[in-house]
Amino acid sequence: ELKVEQNPLFLSMQEGKNYTIYCNYSTTSDRLYWYRQDPGKSLESLFVLLSNGAVKQEGRLMASLDTKARLSTLHITAAVHDLSATYFCAVDHAGAQKLVFGQGTRLTINP
Amino acid sequence: DTAVSQTPKYLVTQMGNDKSIKCEQNLGHDTMYWYKQDSKKFLKIMFSYNNKELIINETVPNRFSPKSPDKAHLNLHINSLELGDSAVYFCASSGRIYGYTFGSGTRLTVV
Repeated sequence: ELKVEQNPLFLSMQEGKNYTIYCNYSTTSDRLYWYRQDPGKSLESLFVLLSNGAVKQEGRLMASLDTKARLSTLHITAAVHDLSATYFCAVDHAGAQKLVFGQGTRLTINP
Repeated sequence: DTAVSQTPKYLVTQMGNDKSIKCEQNLGHDTMYWYKQDSKKFLKIMFSYNNKELIINETVPNRFSPKSPDKAHLNLHINSLELGDSAVYFCASSGRIYGYTFGSGTRLTVV
């Protein structure tokens, strides 16, 4: 059964600092997704990573995928308060037509 | 226009009642899903339908019955509501090209 694990689950950091969220998954997958969720809101798609070595960047966020290690990272550069949210990685279970989510990382960025 | 819309946004009801949540997508996607997000923010798939046919039923109690009258709609009916059913329920859809689109969520509170 596919399992997706994120760490850390909680992250409190200062503005201006860099940090990385890790996402490990247990079996072969087609695609890996990163989502952002603000309190009381829906899931906002950030990145879709399709192949080994894929790297995508949007503003202060950069996501990468290593399919051999079954690991994805979400790197935050020079964090700002507006990035405070819960971030989820999710893996498209090959052939099963479903997304399996990690536990989420609650990110708080303090001024 | 909203791509995946679900109603109602909030639902407060007493234990033992029966309630329904409706979902519609205008993306032309073939597959629709119901996900449950619990109080710890964990997201887990409940059901998926492909072109009106049930594909996934993830050990959800029989009190939950999805219905898909056509591929653009997937409704969720819940009988005999229990306190533990309180959660946020998200509808989602996906098509042949990668990507999942989520609705805004229905916050169900059972009192």
